[in-house]
Amino acid sequence: NAGVMQNPRHLVRRRGQEARLRCSPMKGHSHVYWYRQLPEEGLKFMVYLQKENIIDESGMPKERFSAEFPKEGPSILRIQQVVRGDSAAYFCASSPILAGNTGELFFGEGSRLTVL
Amino acid sequence: TQLLEQSPQFLSIQEGENLTVYCNSSSVFSSLQWYRQEPGEGPVLLVTVVTGGEVKKLKRLTFQFGDARKDSSLHITAAQTGDTGLYLCAGQPRSTGNQFYFGTGTSLTVIP
Repeated sequence: NAGVMQNPRHLVRRRGQEARLRCSPMKGHSHVYWYRQLPEEGLKFMVYLQKENIIDESGMPKERFSAEFPKEGPSILRIQQVVRGDSAAYFCASSPILAGNTGELFFGEGSRLTVL
Repeated sequence: TQLLEQSPQFLSIQEGENLTVYCNSSSVFSSLQWYRQEPGEGPVLLVTVVTGGEVKKLKRLTFQFGDARKDSSLHITAAQTGDTGLYLCAGQPRSTGNQFYFGTGTSLTVIP
């Protein structure tokens, strides 16, 4: 049973380009969370999605950032017109039930975005 | 604003020493979780504490949930170099919707 798969593991973009990060949750998991992490820091919540629905995007910047979790295929975090401040590790986590209701979050290995 | 504050932020100790990491909040949580993250990897769940005052042990690690369900601690006995990593507490406050918050993290280095 494959774990949470994220790709690419490393992504380099120049300022103004677009970054697309993909996340395939564990089989049977219908809840996906995206987090952003800077070195030596904790994880900052960005968005929580279920299949075809954005449940909570309060942690995601209003501009340039968007996320989706289609009926088929992986969840995608999209960053348009990247700036140097977007450089970070982006982690995806999945859960079979609403995390926090004693549910565990299963994390991918992260996508490390570097903006030149 | 940071909902879950962890202390200390950085900790460097000798192998064999004991240590305690704290996770504090002004909010009440239905449960708290502790994760450990190694460089270049995603966090991995260590334990979930649910009941106020609960104590859970995982080999040399002891986790406690505060009576008021606002704080938690992680105690490591006789630390080993393999304990090195970033320790994160996490939880979902009762007062909010669907956000699952993580703490600020404690970076532990165990020196041989």
